[in-house]
Amino acid sequence: DADVTQTPRNRITKTGKRIMLECSQTKGHDRMYWYRQDPGLGLRLIYYSFDVKDINKGEISDGYSVSRQAQAKFSLSLESAIPNQTALYFCATSDLRGGNYGYTFGSGTRLTVV
Amino acid sequence: AQSVTQLDSQVPVFEEAPVELRCNYSSSVSVYLFWYVQYPNQGLQLLLKYLSGSTLVKGINGFEAEFNKSQTSFHLRKPSVHISDTAEYFCAVFTGTASKLTFGTGTRLQVTL
Repeated sequence: DADVTQTPRNRITKTGKRIMLECSQTKGHDRMYWYRQDPGLGLRLIYYSFDVKDINKGEISDGYSVSRQAQAKFSLSLESAIPNQTALYFCATSDLRGGNYGYTFGSGTRLTVV
Repeated sequence: AQSVTQLDSQVPVFEEAPVELRCNYSSSVSVYLFWYVQYPNQGLQLLLKYLSGSTLVKGINGFEAEFNKSQTSFHLRKPSVHISDTAEYFCAVFTGTASKLTFGTGTRLQVTL
């Protein structure tokens, strides 16, 4: 099984619908992140969480919300999807213990809003 | 706040030729630097990282990068590329102040015969 699992892998939804993207991890990491990737814009941070009780907005949080249900689970919701939220979404985890500052990424969710 | 600039959005190169992908960062504090690779239809995986010590860092698949503090650069190099190196490459910087990674906009490496 993958260390960081994202579901679904692909999703097509209609404008105005609520949709949830899920992320679960088996790494035991405290920190979790949601990014979106758009061509030419790289990865932009939506929300991040340093532990279960800590949720922070990233640079592009408008139109999104998150829930950290447990250390291992971090969900991203689009309350009312719009076409410019069509993108590739990545969940990532990290753990600063042992001086390791890198992230482990999931395989991504490709979301299309029509 | 830190930022990362990848100067080339696309780099075309012939197989077996050398390649350099450029990355510059700005930060007023000490940084840790990373290169990630994204193969088509896949997530990102770590290619190499600089945390401390030797400024020349070797990674997977024959890639290496050199940390240059005075130039605030962390360019990625490979002496001879293969078709399978075709992918998007992201430079990223971590600072203790922000306590998270900031990514560049990516460089698409296209290797052809």
